[in-house]
Amino acid sequence: NAGVTQTPKFQVLKTGQSMTLQCAQDMNHEYMSWYRQDPGMGLRLIHYSVGAGITDQGEVPNGYNVSRSTTEDFPLRLLSAAPSQTSVYFCASSYSIFYEQYFGPGTRLTVT
Amino acid sequence: EDKVVQSPLSLVVHEGDTVTLNCSYEVTNFRSLLWYKQEKKAPTFLFMLTSSGIEKKSGRLSSILDKKELFSILNITATQTGDSAIYLCAFTAYNTDKLIFGTGTRLQVFP
Repeated sequence: NAGVTQTPKFQVLKTGQSMTLQCAQDMNHEYMSWYRQDPGMGLRLIHYSVGAGITDQGEVPNGYNVSRSTTEDFPLRLLSAAPSQTSVYFCASSYSIFYEQYFGPGTRLTVT
Repeated sequence: EDKVVQSPLSLVVHEGDTVTLNCSYEVTNFRSLLWYKQEKKAPTFLFMLTSSGIEKKSGRLSSILDKKELFSILNITATQTGDSAIYLCAFTAYNTDKLIFGTGTRLQVFP
């Protein structure tokens, strides 16, 4: 099992550019989520999904879109990057909210 | 608004010391509290607590939940340099499918 994989590992964007952070898991987990981590802020929930076709907003959803067309994949889209979106992004998955979540290795995003 | 507060924000100790990390919460319809350890990269799961007063233990790490006083503690005995990390607590509630994290405690263990 590869577990939770994220691509890319690093990315630099200019303000206004768009991009998609990829997340995939091979554990047949129904629950997937995206977090961002900034210094001194812990992990803040962006969006989450309880299964294919179902997504919902977390604590800081503005500026981000998600979709869940398959159980395995949960991409995060930045439509128009802003410097405030400079952060480390983590994807996580679990069987459900009742179980511990497994985190991917993270994507470090810098927006200039 | 539901929230979780961790203290201290940062802690520096020497190898062999015992540390206690705190996580207090104000959560409507509280369901569970989780502890994670984050070293250089992704957080890794330590414990999940749902019942009050029950201690979860793994080696030198242990945790307990007090649902009356609304807090949890994570104890690490005989600390080692490998315990240096950010320790995060998080909660779930019955009326939502969100896992919400605190800001974390940064622990540094020096030889």
